[in-house]
Amino acid sequence: NAGVTQTPKFQVLKTGQSMTLQCAQDMNHEYMSWYRQDPGMGLRLIHYSVGAGITDQGEVPNGYNVSRSTTEDFPLRLLSAAPSQTSVYFCASRAPGQGWSDTQYFGPGTRLTVL
Amino acid sequence: KQEVTQIPAALSVPEGENLVLNCSFTDSAIYNLQWFRQDPGKGLTSLLLIQSSQREQTSGRLNASLDKSSGRSTLYIAASQPGDSATYLCAAFSTSGTYKYIFGTGTRLKVLA
Repeated sequence: NAGVTQTPKFQVLKTGQSMTLQCAQDMNHEYMSWYRQDPGMGLRLIHYSVGAGITDQGEVPNGYNVSRSTTEDFPLRLLSAAPSQTSVYFCASRAPGQGWSDTQYFGPGTRLTVL
Repeated sequence: KQEVTQIPAALSVPEGENLVLNCSFTDSAIYNLQWFRQDPGKGLTSLLLIQSSQREQTSGRLNASLDKSSGRSTLYIAASQPGDSATYLCAAFSTSGTYKYIFGTGTRLKVLA
């Protein structure tokens, strides 16, 4: 298993540009999520999905869109990039076992800089 | 609203020392609490997951405890090694109607040889 993969690893955007961060997992996990990590802020949840066709907002959803057309893929779209979106983005997945007992698996991250 | 706090923010210890990392959460209605390790420039690796019905979990030199009533979890690292140097994060999985992990800001550990 490749686990959770993310592309690209690094990206530089200009203010106002749009782009999609890709996330895929090959573990047949139902639950997937996107976080951003900023210095001194910890990881904050952007959006999550409990299965194909089902998404919901996390703590900091503004400026981001997601969709979940397949179990494997969960792309994150930046609609109009802003310098405040400069961050490291992590995708994670888990298989919800009984009582949500399963661990989360994280991708390696995408480091995004918006100029 | 669930808030997770980790103290201290940074810790430096000599090799061989036993140490404790602390994690506090404000809402005791959690499914589980998970401890992660993050190396610089890398993603997160799960270390231990404690179910809400459990008191502790052990893996090798690591032992994590959970006290829901006081809103605390601790990660105990025995006989620390330079390879343990990393940032350690805890995350509480809330039962408040949404499926969300709330993360602490982490403790940056440096073990000196």
